[in-house]
Amino acid sequence: DTGVSQDPRHKITKRGQNVTFRCDPISEHNRLYWYRQTLGQGPEFLTYFQNEAQLEKSRLLSDRFSAERPKGSFSTLEIQRTEQGDSAMYLCASSPSERRAGELFFGEGSRLTVL
Amino acid sequence: AQKITQTQPGMFVQEKEAVTLDCTYDTSDPSYGLFWYKQPSSGEMIFLIYQGSYDQQNATEGRYSLNFQKARKSANLVISASQLGDSAMYFCAMRELSGTYKYIFGTGTRLKVLA
Repeated sequence: DTGVSQDPRHKITKRGQNVTFRCDPISEHNRLYWYRQTLGQGPEFLTYFQNEAQLEKSRLLSDRFSAERPKGSFSTLEIQRTEQGDSAMYLCASSPSERRAGELFFGEGSRLTVL
Repeated sequence: AQKITQTQPGMFVQEKEAVTLDCTYDTSDPSYGLFWYKQPSSGEMIFLIYQGSYDQQNATEGRYSLNFQKARKSANLVISASQLGDSAMYFCAMRELSGTYKYIFGTGTRLKVLA
């Protein structure tokens, strides 16, 4: 399957611990996005990359959050010193440079529960 | 600043009937794209349909059509001949095409199709 894959699918952690999520985009897609979605809400933009460059980062993203895409392929999202408010679904999506619609292709998400 | 508004938290429709899900948007960019996504209970976001701001005709994809009224800044999704499998959350999204590649999403509408 060549869709967007995310790992782990579920993560339960204790407050104060660090967690890292990985996203493998569709191979020919050069843009990669991270979104956060809480229950009953729409996806909230966190950051995006074009190749290895992080081009935009939400002001909502505190300094406890960091994302990388070192070789322009997979990406990681790390949350340090997790808080209960970080509990959410973290969605990764990718998009090719330009095509008919430029729609995002989403992975199945990584659900984080902070106890 | 770009903004998406979905004012219907929940909608019901009888199987085989048509339903319209509302979406209004705000942007100062004359060039933008509008998207609709479906999110079933399994969680994965599925792209449905796209409308470009300069497209002369309303977009259609199978049973989905987009009622695009540019002057009113609305981009309503019409689902014809509803099926039980259409029960899901539906999100309207927008990307300004000048500069940023950030997509923003509305809060969604939960659609329930009744047998």
